Amino acid sequence: GENVEQHPSTLSVQEGDSAVIKCTYSDSASNYFPWYKQELGKRPQLIIDIRSNVGEKKDQRIAVTLNKTAKHFSLHITETQPEDSAVYFCAAIHSNYQLIWGAGTKLIIKP
Amino acid sequence: DTGVSQDPRHKITKRGQNVTFRCDPISEHNRLYWYRQTLGQGPEFLTYFQNEAQLEKSRLLSDRFSAERPKGSFSTLEIQRTEQGDSAMYLCASSAPRLAGLRGTQYFGPGTRLTVL
Repeated sequence: GENVEQHPSTLSVQEGDSAVIKCTYSDSASNYFPWYKQELGKRPQLIIDIRSNVGEKKDQRIAVTLNKTAKHFSLHITETQPEDSAVYFCAAIHSNYQLIWGAGTKLIIKP
Repeated sequence: DTGVSQDPRHKITKRGQNVTFRCDPISEHNRLYWYRQTLGQGPEFLTYFQNEAQLEKSRLLSDRFSAERPKGSFSTLEIQRTEQGDSAMYLCASSAPRLAGLRGTQYFGPGTRLTVL
């Protein structure tokens, strides 16, 4: 079955700097890769997603890149702000629409 | 609020008691998912429904757990003879893979936090 690995587990960056979180997946049949942001005690919120027929997608300060050959995808946050502090999860979705989640990255934005 | 809703938001129970949670998905979504999340971990898949049919169950879902979606709309998750290890956040999500533009994206409810004493 599918397996998703996520790194790093914790990332601390200075406010205004960029943050990059990386994920790899094992099943080449996976075709949809969402990223969720979860603040403490709250629900996971979709922040950006990408399909396997696209290499990059951007939404304001957030971008996701996908390398199908290497089976990895990354989340890029530029000009980080205090409200970006949260746990970020990557996921891969297979044809049966079951989400396989990464272990999460705790992003800390230092003022 | 047209998002996914869950009830109750918090449940405290004693070990051995039964509990039932409810999830109301976004109205046009035909797929509904249950996840369990413990502190510091990502959500763990439990089960999912397409309309009223339960199509997949995780091995995590022991025989003490049962889920239903009788009319293809809301769903209930019941845990019988609760154990302290059942303490977690139970999240529900819904999706609509056949609706144009939604691409199967899963939208989550606020969760039910279960504490078993």
